[in-house]
Amino acid sequence: GESVGLHLPTLSVQEGDNSIINCAYSNSASDYFIWYKQESGKGPQFIIDIRSNMDKRQGQRVTVLLNKTVKHLSLQIAATQPGDSAVYFCAGSAGNTPLVFGKGTRLSVIA
Amino acid sequence: KAGVTQTPRYLIKTRGQQVTLSCSPISGHRSVSWYQQTPGQGLQFLFEYFSETQRNKGNFPGRFSGRQFSNSRSEMNVSTLELGDSALYLCASSPPGQAPHGYTFGSGTRLTVV
Repeated sequence: GESVGLHLPTLSVQEGDNSIINCAYSNSASDYFIWYKQESGKGPQFIIDIRSNMDKRQGQRVTVLLNKTVKHLSLQIAATQPGDSAVYFCAGSAGNTPLVFGKGTRLSVIA
Repeated sequence: KAGVTQTPRYLIKTRGQQVTLSCSPISGHRSVSWYQQTPGQGLQFLFEYFSETQRNKGNFPGRFSGRQFSNSRSEMNVSTLELGDSALYLCASSPPGQAPHGYTFGSGTRLTVV
C-alpha cells in the first residue's frame, strides 16, 4: 500500500537561508502530491501541490520537485523566514484515494 | 469566506465513555474527510463522506463511526474510548469533484482520554 515518509524529523536553518525538506513515497501509482504546513494549534495549511506529469512547480518562495524515478519529492523554501517555522507534511494520493501523509518535518528558523 | 469549523476545540473524556465531534465544511463543499493525528502515527485517514454517503474508510476499529448530514456538516463518534484515542482529530472539506486535491483543514478537536 501507499506509504509516505520523510527523511529528517527536524531541520534547523538560519534566517535568510534556503530550506529543503525531503519526502519519499512507495506507491508508484501515486499521481498527486501536496505539501502542507502546520503551525502549533492549527490544522494543516496548503502550501503547494504537484501532479505526476510534472517535475517541478513553483509558488511564492516555494518550489516542489518531483522525481518519479526514485519516488522522491522535495519542498524548497527560499529565503526562510521566522514565520516559516512549523511542521511540514508531504502527502500523496493515487487517483481519488484519500491522501496518505508522511510523519512530518519540524522546521526551526534561527534568527 | 468562513473556513472549516470544528467543535469543540478541546475535550476531556474518561476511558469507556463515548464522544461526538462536529465539523462544518466550507460553504459549497460537499466532501468531508476526517483524520486522526498523533505524535507517533502522524495523520491517519479515518473516513470520507460525500453527499451523506461514506465514500472511503480507513483502517480503524468499528468504535469509530461518522455521518454526514444533508447540509454537508459531518460528525464523527468514538465509542468506548481508550487512552490511545487521545489525539487531534482533523476534518477537511473540499469542493465537488476535487477531493482529495482541494482539502482545506479545520483547526481540529483535541481529545484527551483519561
